[in-house]
Amino acid sequence: GAGVSQSPSNKVTEKGKDVELRCDPISGHTALYWYRQSLGQGLEFLIYFQGNSAPDKSGLPSDRFSAERTGGSVSTLTIQRTQQEDSAVYLCASSSGFSYFGPGTRLTVL
Amino acid sequence: AQSVTQPDIHITVSEGASLELRCNYSYGATPYLFWYVQSPGQGLQLLLKYFSGDTLVQGIKGFEAEFKRSQSSFNLRKPSVHWSDAAEYFCAVGPNTGTASKLTFGTGTRLQVTL
Repeated sequence: GAGVSQSPSNKVTEKGKDVELRCDPISGHTALYWYRQSLGQGLEFLIYFQGNSAPDKSGLPSDRFSAERTGGSVSTLTIQRTQQEDSAVYLCASSSGFSYFGPGTRLTVL
Repeated sequence: AQSVTQPDIHITVSEGASLELRCNYSYGATPYLFWYVQSPGQGLQLLLKYFSGDTLVQGIKGFEAEFKRSQSSFNLRKPSVHWSDAAEYFCAVGPNTGTASKLTFGTGTRLQVTL
C-alpha cells in the first residue's frame, strides 16, 4: 500500500491476556520502529528493526513485550499477560531516511 | 542522552493569527530535527525536517521552522493559522547518521484554534 498500516485499529482486552499488534510497513523500507503513546505523554520508543541486523530492544519496558519482523517486512508486537498500564496507542513507523507513521492501534486493558 | 522539551502543553490561537510552537532539544552532536502533527484519531504526519544546510526549513501546510544551534531550539511557525490546524504537534530529534534511526519525541503541544 501507499502508507504504513496497522491492525487492529482498536483492541480491548482483559488484564492477563496476551495481545498481538500488527504493522505492515511501506514496501522497501528497511527500518521499522514501534513506539507507544500513553495518555498525556509523548511517544516512547520501544523497538527498532534495521534490515537483517539484531533489533534494538532498548525501549521495551518489560520482558512481557516482544516483537518480531518476518522477512524484513511485516512486524508483530506481542504483549503477554497484559496489565492496565499497557493501555496506550501503539504506533509503528517505517523509514528509508525519515519515518512515516501508521495510524496506530489503541489498546485498552480492562 | 538526547531529550526534547516542548514547554507549552496547550496553546489557543484565533484563526488568522500567527503561531509559534516552541521546541528545545538536548543532543551531543548535530541532530536531525523533525516536527510531526497528529490529528485526532490519526497517525503522525511529518510536517518538516532539518538535516543540514539552510536553518530555515519550509514544510507542508504553510509551516516553517528555524534551527538555532546557539539556543538549541527548533521552533515551528505559521503566519496565519487555519481552523484545520487544530491538532497535536510533536517535535523530535534523531542522530545525524545519514540513516534512519530512532527518534526522541517531546511530549507534544495541543493547538486549539478559535473562530
